[in-house]
Amino acid sequence: DQQVKQNSPSLSVQEGRISILNCDYTNSMFDYFLWYKKYPAEGPTFLISISSIKDKNEDGRFTVFLNKSAKHLSLHIVPSQPGDSAVYFCAARMVFGNEKLTFGTGTRLTIIP
Amino acid sequence: DAGVIQSPRHEVTEMGQEVTLRCKPISGHDYLFWYRQTMMRGLELLIYFNNNVPIDDSGMPEDRFSAKMPNASFSTLKIQPSEPRDSAVYFCASSYRQGATDTQYFGPGTRLTVL
Repeated sequence: DQQVKQNSPSLSVQEGRISILNCDYTNSMFDYFLWYKKYPAEGPTFLISISSIKDKNEDGRFTVFLNKSAKHLSLHIVPSQPGDSAVYFCAARMVFGNEKLTFGTGTRLTIIP
Repeated sequence: DAGVIQSPRHEVTEMGQEVTLRCKPISGHDYLFWYRQTMMRGLELLIYFNNNVPIDDSGMPEDRFSAKMPNASFSTLKIQPSEPRDSAVYFCASSYRQGATDTQYFGPGTRLTVL
């Protein structure tokens, strides 16, 4: 039972354009969401997060949007750069539950120069 | 800070053998997590510890898997006996609870191949 879903296994975007990565979740108890970025042969690294009390969080070129009614979040990268090529994982947790993070299966983003 | 350290980085073993993966968390972190990454299921949480005590092991697939944390700076994940379907990348992560949220820091992973 995949509670966090990333339905696009891969995405290719031209350098300089916007990259949009999507994530859906099914558990309405989730109220904190994170994006991790992973390069080959490395562990995932934290990128950006959002609490359910917000619908948008921005950090430089990265913006995460949350639509609670649709149980959907997205990560926007503008402008996309070659160094953004990586696998992106969406994750969710219950803030006042235990410490478990539930991850999606990841989306491989390729930025085309 | 050296970050989360995992060893070995690569392990190739034969079916039926015992495998031990090791992890050193970031100093001062009080949570430690073991994950497994596969193509089909992505990153799955196997078990996590708080102050060296196992809190949730519901993700441990079978009795063949066991994890220990004898002290705040060391943890092991053991598979005995190993099977080809255990082939995956195993990650260790650690974190420090700060208010309502925290960030997990991952090690580089151990790529396990069971022949």
